[in-house]
Amino acid sequence: GNSVTQMEGPVTLSEEAFLTINCTYTATGYPSLFWYVQYPGEGLQLLLKATKADDKGSNKGFEATYRKETTSFHLEKGSVQVSDSAVYFCALSFGNEKLTFGTGTRLTIIP
Amino acid sequence: DAGITQSPRHKVTETGTPVTLRCHQTENHRYMYWYRQDPGHGLRLIHYSYGVKDTDKGEVSDGYSVSRSKTEDFLLTLESATSSQTSVYFCAIRKRGVTSTDTQYFGPGTRLTVL
Repeated sequence: GNSVTQMEGPVTLSEEAFLTINCTYTATGYPSLFWYVQYPGEGLQLLLKATKADDKGSNKGFEATYRKETTSFHLEKGSVQVSDSAVYFCALSFGNEKLTFGTGTRLTIIP
Repeated sequence: DAGITQSPRHKVTETGTPVTLRCHQTENHRYMYWYRQDPGHGLRLIHYSYGVKDTDKGEVSDGYSVSRSKTEDFLLTLESATSSQTSVYFCAIRKRGVTSTDTQYFGPGTRLTVL
């Protein structure tokens, strides 16, 4: 079946540091890929998405590139802020099917 | 904001009691979903609906039932709650993409504690 693997957390960084959260997937075919973010006490918000190989999703300074050859969709940001502290989920889906989520990575940014 | 509300937002109940959670949407989306979120598991699909009275099971459906009598409401029922159903429950809708893939949007969640 389909699956998503994210890097283990928690991740703690200083403000203005560079962020990478790794995400790889296993699937038959070429799914759409997503990053969702969950701020404390809130629901999940779509952060960015990509639908085909080499697509780059971007939003709020975050970027992720759909890499078919490595089945990866790593999340990056050049300079993190305290307000980026949240849990980040990588997910995939095929067309009309359900989302398959990774287990989430908790990110804490220290001033 | 996809116009999704969930009620109640918090609930504490006892083992063996029935519980119903409500998801309400204001945009007439056809597809609606119920997920549960647990540490170490991410979100897992419980049930989903693809129209009024049309529902299907997800990967963790045991102990749960759903109903959708109106487009805007999707109910999740725990017939006899157990402690293993203590979790945070999220409802989601699926928006059709005009130029890109369909995307799911989530409600604020319901925190359920079964004692």
